Amino acid sequence: EIVLTQSPGTVSLSPGERATLSCRASRSVGSSYLAWYQKKPGQAPRLLIDGASSRATGIPDRFSGSGSGTDFTLTISRLEPEDFAVYYCQHYGSLPYTFGQGTNLEIK
Amino acid sequence: EVQLVQSGAEVKKPGESLKLSCKGSGYTFPTYWIAWVRHMPGKGLEWMGIIYPTDSDSRYSPSLQGQVTFSADKSTSTAYLHFSSLKASDTAMYYCARLAGGMDVWGQGTTVTVSS
Repeated sequence: EIVLTQSPGTVSLSPGERATLSCRASRSVGSSYLAWYQKKPGQAPRLLIDGASSRATGIPDRFSGSGSGTDFTLTISRLEPEDFAVYYCQHYGSLPYTFGQGTNLEIK
Repeated sequence: EVQLVQSGAEVKKPGESLKLSCKGSGYTFPTYWIAWVRHMPGKGLEWMGIIYPTDSDSRYSPSLQGQVTFSADKSTSTAYLHFSSLKASDTAMYYCARLAGGMDVWGQGTTVTVSS
């Protein structure tokens, strides 16, 4: 089973700042089989990034993903108030697919 | 519109059985894997497994093997998550999602509360 480790666990930033979230896999997830999700309380998760770097439909271009193999990054270029949430990475390179433990992006 | 609609909230006692549903519409339901994801209170998202509605081929998370069962009825475009004997630790929000690489369409979630 591939273990995904996200860092930091919590990050405090202000609107307008840049957020950089990391996801590291215990072994290669195979090419770019990694997705990022946003989770807000009371809402279902929302797919942000697929294939490590492709924005999902309707996702603003301030969200970007990069990386391959074992190291991946989600960047939010300029934080908007609605971006404060928990972010999860998830791989689908080999079964079982797993999630990282999440990064809580909170308002400073 | 592509969507997944899940059944309503459940309150159950330990030892009872339960079947949650997830009905798809707006796309060819049998040809996409459906994933089940658990979100326990105060915890992160947990991948439970997937089912392919065309033939009900199912793959489970090793940590949940034997504890839950997936099924699907392609004639009604519905996937199911079955618990044979609930425990208090099954208290969680359960989501179904369409697998298209990542999980691109999500149900609204079903809250399950297990308490004596």
